[in-house]
Amino acid sequence: IAGITQAPTSQILAAGRRMTLRCTQDMRHNAMYWYRQDLGLGLRLIHYSNTAGTTGKGEVPDGYSVSRANTDDFPLTLASAVPSQTSVYFCASSDRAGSGDTQYFGPGTRLTVL
Amino acid sequence: GQNIDQPTEMTATEGAIVQINCTYQTSGFNGLFWYQQHAGEAPTFLSYNVLDGLEEKGRFSSFLSRSKGYSYLLLKELQMKDSASYLCAVLGGSYQLTFGKGTKLSVIP
Repeated sequence: IAGITQAPTSQILAAGRRMTLRCTQDMRHNAMYWYRQDLGLGLRLIHYSNTAGTTGKGEVPDGYSVSRANTDDFPLTLASAVPSQTSVYFCASSDRAGSGDTQYFGPGTRLTVL
Repeated sequence: GQNIDQPTEMTATEGAIVQINCTYQTSGFNGLFWYQQHAGEAPTFLSYNVLDGLEEKGRFSSFLSRSKGYSYLLLKELQMKDSASYLCAVLGGSYQLTFGKGTKLSVIP
């Protein structure tokens, strides 16, 4: 693995179903982030984690949860998917939060909720 | 609150120079990033400015004026592969990135 990987690449999901998007990085970055990108709205932060064991809410956290059990993995869970959660989801990581540290993005997961 | 404005679309000719502007109003400022995003792909880092002035990196340069809440990305010697969306993002007082909606640049022959 080199960089950040996300799985699945794409998914079609029935409304009401539970879904976990996976994100793994091998750069030993402390901070990780989840964004959603919607046409006309740009990238919006859902949740973040400054270091393993801690998480925080971003701009649009409702309907999503995250966990950070270790440095490498940062899964995003939709407990009960709704059509408005149809989006492209990007995971990102940076060496440390703040101080102008560059965020590096995974390839994205395209999620459709019907 | 955070507000970041950039043009929605721009068109430029291969070989030319194009300037993409970004204005921002944020609560706190810890730097400004520019990312490039090709259609269907992830954003990739282009530049970072935290002090006023121009940062040059090959064909790409980025300028920042903190007092004016203004930045621009300058692309020289445009190539067809530069057709992409360019995202302006501000690192605010909470050290979270807030992105503009992006500028879709089309490079034509």
